[in-house]
Amino acid sequence: EPEVTQTPSHQVTQMGQEVILRCVPISNHLYFYWYRQILGQKVEFLVSFYNNEISEKSEIFDDQFSVERPDGSNFTLKIRSTKLEDSAMYFCASRRGGARSNQPQHFGDGTRLSIL
Amino acid sequence: QKEVEQNSGPLSVPEGAIASLNCTYSDRGSQSFFWYRQYSGKSPELIMSIYSNGDKEDGRFTAQLNKASQYVSLLIRDSQPSDSATYLCAANAGGTSYGKLTFGQGTILTVHP
Repeated sequence: EPEVTQTPSHQVTQMGQEVILRCVPISNHLYFYWYRQILGQKVEFLVSFYNNEISEKSEIFDDQFSVERPDGSNFTLKIRSTKLEDSAMYFCASRRGGARSNQPQHFGDGTRLSIL
Repeated sequence: QKEVEQNSGPLSVPEGAIASLNCTYSDRGSQSFFWYRQYSGKSPELIMSIYSNGDKEDGRFTAQLNKASQYVSLLIRDSQPSDSATYLCAANAGGTSYGKLTFGQGTILTVHP
């Protein structure tokens, strides 16, 4: 069964450094998402991406964050200058279907980001 | 602020029993609802999706949706120790959203032998 893959599984970075988290969504999916989950807290929406542009973003997704689909398969989340509070599990998800589709989102295994 | 609330748990049931998990949501525009299972340190894994009022059954799992009451539930029959996990309820944002999911805080389920 096709799955969403994320790399790396764990990233340790010094505060203030840039980090790029990578995702390969399921190949026939059109909508891509990033979520984060701080330890012990809810899964929180960050951003959705469709047709090579951001379709929606949350208040968390400020100017330090950016997303990109540099080629036909990868989907990346960049944090420009990391802060201690960016430490969390970051999940990439993708789904099929139209804008209002009921198709479920499938999640990758996540990247654990630790900021020192 | 659109919210999804779950019964806080933790919920402990004996093996073979029925586990009942509940969820309410505030966004009346939400049309799609999902139950995910999350093992500790792992990613959310889709268990069930439901879009219409009523019940939807898949093996040992039954999801129930009542849009008038803004209520979603998940029943797990013949619970097994391997069902022990955190169960996340999620609602698809309504209106002009491109499918953003709002998650509840999760209910921890423990099935003891």
